Amino acid sequence: DVKVTQSSRYLVKRTGEKVFLECVQDMDHENMFWYRQDPGLGLRLIYFSYDVKMKEKGDIPEGYSVSREKKERFSLILESASTNQTSMYLCASSLNGGNQPQHFGDGTRLSIL
Amino acid sequence: AQSVTQLGSHVSVSEGALVLLRCNYSSSVPPYLFWYVQYPNQGLQLLLKYTTGATLVKGINGFEAEFKKSETSFHLTKPSAHMSDAAEYFCAVSEWPDSSYKLIFGSGTRLLVRP
Repeated sequence: DVKVTQSSRYLVKRTGEKVFLECVQDMDHENMFWYRQDPGLGLRLIYFSYDVKMKEKGDIPEGYSVSREKKERFSLILESASTNQTSMYLCASSLNGGNQPQHFGDGTRLSIL
Repeated sequence: AQSVTQLGSHVSVSEGALVLLRCNYSSSVPPYLFWYVQYPNQGLQLLLKYTTGATLVKGINGFEAEFKKSETSFHLTKPSAHMSDAAEYFCAVSEWPDSSYKLIFGSGTRLLVRP
């Protein structure tokens, strides 16, 4: 079974802090994704990566950056956290191929106070 | 460009009743389609997928979905609802070959199961 592990289930940070969310997958997947999920807005793609050191912006990249130094690890960085970034963050990974599903971690519920 | 529409943000059924969750897609090419389930405070779990071949796809937990090209639909069904089916369900279509391997998700349908 594919395992996608997010470093924290719940996280509380303060406005202005630099926040790191970590995601690790154990199945040698090429692609990794970061989403945020908010009530009524569904899943919105923040960034994705199709290879080590490669990244592409998703639909809502503002206020975020990412890092992928190793194939199995994809980090989401909130450069200066703001209250409007309070949300559920989901990481996913997949193999190459349009017919390949994405496999999700359990999510990190982030609160910015 | 591909897109997905899920009709009904909330669906309520009685335990033992038929579950029908609707999904319509738009795609310029034969689509790859997926259904996911999300239980409270968890990530998304793959229920089933359609890629090619048989249009009736069976998934986990007794769910199935039928790909109907003429109706551009991929509705999810289960003959008899169980209390444990209460969750949010997402339909998704692959964005391939337009760009990379992103999935386009519908807005989700929350299934409520009444005792």
